[in-house]
Amino acid sequence: DTGVSQNPRHKITKRGQNVTFRCDPISEHNRLYWYRQTLGQGPEFLTYFQNEAQLEKSRLLSDRFSAERPKGSFSTLEIQRTEQGDSAMYLCASSPIRRGDRDEQFFGPGTRLTVL
Amino acid sequence: AQKVTQAQTEISVVEKEDVTLDCVYETRDTTYYLFWYKQPPSGELVFLIRRNSFDEQNEISGRYSWNFQKSTSSFNFTITASQVVDSAVYFCALRINAGNMLTFGGGTRLMVKP
Repeated sequence: DTGVSQNPRHKITKRGQNVTFRCDPISEHNRLYWYRQTLGQGPEFLTYFQNEAQLEKSRLLSDRFSAERPKGSFSTLEIQRTEQGDSAMYLCASSPIRRGDRDEQFFGPGTRLTVL
Repeated sequence: AQKVTQAQTEISVVEKEDVTLDCVYETRDTTYYLFWYKQPPSGELVFLIRRNSFDEQNEISGRYSWNFQKSTSSFNFTITASQVVDSAVYFCALRINAGNMLTFGGGTRLMVKP
């Protein structure tokens, strides 16, 4: 499978616990994005990496959220001290560097987080 | 700031009917890109189309067609002869040329009944 993969697919945690999600982009895609999608809404941008550099962060990304992309390959998104409002689907996407029209973002299946 | 509005939250049609999903966008940028994604029940967003702001030519791909009109800031999506497999949530999205993030609309849930 050469698509974007995310693990775990589902995570249930208790309020106050820390959780970490992993995203493996399509190989050779140097751009990686994280989005959050709550029930009945469209995805909302969280953060963006070009290779290992985190170049853009949304104001939605509070201090409890941190994302990394060591070596410019896979990425992790950690949420510390989870709150019930963090319950959502966390989507990862990747895209190649822009060459003409070929820069659409390809999405993974998402990690659904439920905070009890 | 950018904004995408999909006023239709839910549409229900009977198989073989044609259906149009509306998308209206707002941006101050003159160069931007518009997208449609499909999200089936499995949850994974599937890319359907990308248009840039300089190309207002309508596009047809099989049963799918897109009508881009800058004068009304709209990028509507029509499915001809709908099928049950078209049932999904459809999202319209916008990216400005200087940015990297996609701004999504709230989505339209399409239900195609046999």
